[in-house]
Amino acid sequence: DAGVIQSPRHEVTEMGQEVTLRCKPISGHDYLFWYRQTMMRGLELLIYFNNNVPIDDSGMPEDRFSAKMPNASFSTLKIQPSEPRDSAVYFCASRRLAGIPGNEQFFGPGTRLTVL
Amino acid sequence: GENVEQHPSTLSVQEGDSAVIKCTYSDSASNYFPWYKQELGKRPQLIIDIRSNVGEKKDQRIAVTLNKTAKHFSLHITETQPEDSAVYFCAASEKYNFNKFYFGSGTKLNVKP
Repeated sequence: DAGVIQSPRHEVTEMGQEVTLRCKPISGHDYLFWYRQTMMRGLELLIYFNNNVPIDDSGMPEDRFSAKMPNASFSTLKIQPSEPRDSAVYFCASRRLAGIPGNEQFFGPGTRLTVL
Repeated sequence: GENVEQHPSTLSVQEGDSAVIKCTYSDSASNYFPWYKQELGKRPQLIIDIRSNVGEKKDQRIAVTLNKTAKHFSLHITETQPEDSAVYFCAASEKYNFNKFYFGSGTKLNVKP
């Protein structure tokens, strides 16, 4: 298995532009997570899905952020309009089977977003 | 929500020495505590975890201890090697939810050869 796949790996954009980050989870995994990592705030959970349904989006910073999971093998995180403070590394992770602790969340390589 | 504090923020040890990283959490209902290792520019990877019904867990040179009463848990790395150099994050799960973690701020471990 190729693991969790994210694209693009790097994104540089200008303030006000729309940004779309993409994630392909590990096949067969039931859960998908979006995290943001910054020096100031560390690693934060933004939203997670179970069987393509958003379960908890309480970590989404504001209405400029939205996430979708149209099918079991694809998810997007969109920022519109983007702002310089959105600059961070965004990780996608996936996990197999609900309710069992210790089932590892496998992280993707991350997308480094820079908003100028 | 849960508040996880992690110390120290940086730790430098000589190769072969032991390293200890400590975390405290605020929600006594948290019941799952994973530790992740993140090498520079790479993704976080799970290295060990512990559930609240266990006081200690060991995997080769790595061990984790949990004190539920005091609400703290620690990562112990023995016989450190240069490849152990990385940032280590502790996390605590939300009450009754093994999917939602609150992460500590990270410890940058430097193992000097």
